[in-house]
Amino acid sequence: GENVEQHPSTLSVQEGDSAVIKCTYSDSASNYFPWYKQELGKRPQLIIDIRSNVGEKKDQRIAVTLNKTAKHFSLHITETQPEDSAVYFCAALRSTDKLIFGTGTRLQVFP
Amino acid sequence: DAGVTQSPTHLIKTRGQQVTLRCSPKSGHDTVSWYQQALGQGPQFIFQYYEEEERQRGNFPDRFSGHQFPNYSSELNVNALLLGDSALYLCASSPTGLRGYTFGSGTRLTVV
Repeated sequence: GENVEQHPSTLSVQEGDSAVIKCTYSDSASNYFPWYKQELGKRPQLIIDIRSNVGEKKDQRIAVTLNKTAKHFSLHITETQPEDSAVYFCAALRSTDKLIFGTGTRLQVFP
Repeated sequence: DAGVTQSPTHLIKTRGQQVTLRCSPKSGHDTVSWYQQALGQGPQFIFQYYEEEERQRGNFPDRFSGHQFPNYSSELNVNALLLGDSALYLCASSPTGLRGYTFGSGTRLTVV
C-alpha cells in the first residue's frame, strides 16, 4: 500500500550546523513531494516542494533532493537557526490523489 | 485574500456525541481534503471532496462523513464519538490539477 517512511524521528543539531531528514515512498506513481514545517499547536506550513521531473531544488538555506529510482527524497537545512526548531513532515502525492505524510522529525537546534 | 479557515478552533465533546467541523477553502481552490492528526503523529487522510462529491477516502470508519457545498466549503461530521477521536482535524484546500495544498489552522477536538 501507500507508505512514506521518514528518518530520523528526532534530530538535535548545534546552531549553524546542517540538518538532513530522509524519506522513502512506496508508490512509484507519486510525482509531487512537499515538505511541511509544523510548530507546536500550529498548522503545517509548506516550506519547499519538488516535482518528479526535477532532481534538486533550493530555496535559500533549504534544499530538497529526489532520487526517483530509489524512491528517496531528502530535506537539507544549512546554517540552522533556533527558529528552525519544529516538527518536519515529508509527504508524497500522486496526481490529484491524497497526500501521504511521513511520521515526522522533531528538529531541535541548540544555540 | 483569506487562506483556509476552520471553525471552531477548539471543541470538547462527550463520548457518543456527534460533532460537525467546518472549513472554508482558500479563494480559487475547489478541492477540500480533511486530515486527522493525533498527538505526536503525522496527519492521516480522512477524505477529499471535489464538485460536491467524495472523490476518495482514507481508512476511516463510516462514522466519519462529510459534505461539500456549491461554494466549495466543506463539513466533516463524526458520529458516536470515541475517546480515540480526540485529535487535531486539519482541512486543506487545493486548486484543480495543481499541487498547492494549503492547510487551515485546524480544529482541536477533545472527547471526554
